[in-house]
Amino acid sequence: GIQVEQSPPDLILQEGANSTLRCNFSDSVNNLQWFHQNPWGQLINLFYIPSGTKQNGRLSATTVATERYSLLYISSSQTTDSGVYFCAVDPNYGGSQGNLIFGKGTKLSVKP
Amino acid sequence: DAGITQSPRHKVTETGTPVTLRCHQTENHRYMYWYRQDPGHGLRLIHYSYGVKDTDKGEVSDGYSVSRSKTEDFLLTLESATSSQTSVYFCAISESKGVRETQYFGPGTRLLVL
Repeated sequence: GIQVEQSPPDLILQEGANSTLRCNFSDSVNNLQWFHQNPWGQLINLFYIPSGTKQNGRLSATTVATERYSLLYISSSQTTDSGVYFCAVDPNYGGSQGNLIFGKGTKLSVKP
Repeated sequence: DAGITQSPRHKVTETGTPVTLRCHQTENHRYMYWYRQDPGHGLRLIHYSYGVKDTDKGEVSDGYSVSRSKTEDFLLTLESATSSQTSVYFCAISESKGVRETQYFGPGTRLLVL
């Protein structure tokens, strides 16, 4: 099956710093989403981005589908950005029912 | 926020007992999913539903069954709980499959099997 790898696994930043999180996937995908899991465990959808670039405030994401990777950029990080960031993909299989395959996440800690 | 609730939010049970987790949505979305989250594994799909009474297995379905008798409710049952099923369980919904659709997640249920 498709493999989803995220890097780095852990990241510690000082408040105000910028960061880039990466997601590599081993096969073509219908769907790619980025999620943030906050310290209370809630999963929040950040981007639906199977290709192209999107921006939402201090966050932006770029997916290069032909090269099978996606990047999540966090600018001017804040302590509230702490948590785990997951990349999830829906493989481009004919029988796919929209099931997401998750990477293992990047744990981000932003220090004040 | 999507209207998704899960109950119970926390549960402690003993090995061998049956457990049912409930996911309830107010969005009238067609697709519903159950995932489990474990350290080192991220989230993995257990079962999913693509309509009332239409369900199918995911990656880690052994030891679990599901039912969906109404659009708004998706039940996950552990027929005889084992310690390996200690996990955090998340329900998710989406309007349609895959392309151009976002999955929204419930708050999760923490299950401890002693």
